[in-house]
Amino acid sequence: AQSVTQLDSHVSVSEGTPVLLRCNYSSSYSPSLFWYVQHPNKGLQLLLKYTSAATLVKGINGFEAEFKKSETSFHLTKPSAHMSDAAEYFCVVRAGGGATNKLIFGTGTLLAVQP
Amino acid sequence: DVKVTQSSRYLVKRTGEKVFLECVQDMDHENMFWYRQDPGLGLRLIYFSYDVKMKEKGDIPEGYSVSREKKERFSLILESASTNQTSMYLCASRAGTAYNEQFFGPGTRLTVL
Repeated sequence: AQSVTQLDSHVSVSEGTPVLLRCNYSSSYSPSLFWYVQHPNKGLQLLLKYTSAATLVKGINGFEAEFKKSETSFHLTKPSAHMSDAAEYFCVVRAGGGATNKLIFGTGTLLAVQP
Repeated sequence: DVKVTQSSRYLVKRTGEKVFLECVQDMDHENMFWYRQDPGLGLRLIYFSYDVKMKEKGDIPEGYSVSREKKERFSLILESASTNQTSMYLCASRAGTAYNEQFFGPGTRLTVL
């Protein structure tokens, strides 16, 4: 069965410092992995996705994530945090192979950015 | 831009009431989804629909039903609301397979008293 574990429920960084949000996955198949972001009072938005092409995936707003099969990880990074990055971030895995329609969401990491 | 709209941002209902949450998308997506979001639990799938009049149970369908009479509209129904259904409800739509982006509405925060 597929699952994702977000290792930190809260992360706090200072503006201008690097961001690291950690995600480990479990999958019986070659996984499809996503990061979504939810800003306060807004719907979720796709940041980036991995679907078995390049292992380093670049997303919007300067975020990127690296798929590491040996570590079953898909950590999200950004070199320099901005105040507007404060939001909740969800690591997501596609449930199963084939034409399955479902996604499985992690429990979320709340990112705070201090001035 | 894809737009997913939900009928209410905030809703307060009484225990035992029948509750309808409406979701409309404007991009002709065949797939639509209802999730509930609770602190520390992430998003959990309630029901999804891959075509008009077609539906499948998600991970937590108990106490809910859905209706999809038109492609653009997907309704979530709480037949008899209970306090443990107090939550944020998110609707999403998607074209094609799960490789594609899901587009989310802003959510409805439902409080059941």
